[in-house]
Amino acid sequence: EAEVAQSPRYKITEKSQAVAFWCDPISGHATLYWYRQILGQGPELLVQFQDESVVDDSQLPKDRFSAERLKGVDSTLKIQPAELGDSAMYLCASSLHRGTGELFFGEGSRLTVL
Amino acid sequence: AQKVTQAQTEISVVEKEDVTLDCVYETRDTTYYLFWYKQPPSGELVFLIRRNSFDEQNEISGRYSWNFQKSTSSFNFTITASQVVDSAVYFCALSEGVNRDDKIIFGKGTRLHILP
Repeated sequence: EAEVAQSPRYKITEKSQAVAFWCDPISGHATLYWYRQILGQGPELLVQFQDESVVDDSQLPKDRFSAERLKGVDSTLKIQPAELGDSAMYLCASSLHRGTGELFFGEGSRLTVL
Repeated sequence: AQKVTQAQTEISVVEKEDVTLDCVYETRDTTYYLFWYKQPPSGELVFLIRRNSFDEQNEISGRYSWNFQKSTSSFNFTITASQVVDSAVYFCALSEGVNRDDKIIFGKGTRLHILP
């Protein structure tokens, strides 16, 4: 069964360092999402792509976060510089079409900032 | 603004008992979708169901059933004859807009423990 791949699975970094997460969605899925999930909370949308275009990044802290999906396939989420409050699970999801609501999630990348 | 409330933070039941997870939502839109997702210990959220705001018919899928009531803005999830494998965090979610998955808002989740 096709899966959404994410790496790294775990990342420990010191504050002020740069960190990057990678996501490879299910083949053919045009829509890609990055969510952040703080421990004990529900996922919060950071950015949504439709192919290579950003559809919604209203919740992305743009002073330190950036996301790209250059060829409309895989995507990278970067944080620079990392802060203590960025410790969370970063989840990538994809969907075949906008409007279905059925998102397929990866296992996530857990970030710990020391 | 849209909002999803899952008042039950954590629930523990003994295996084979029935359990209901509550979800209350707020939206100004007349057209929306409601969802339930399951997050097992592995961390990967798994889609369980989508319900269109115009379809209030309850749905049953095996041991799972969902009760959608627009009058009370609720979308509750019941697991019948619970099993240990049902232990997970369950999220209720809502989306509005022209494209239903434009922005999915998740509740804080209910952690379900099924005790053997």
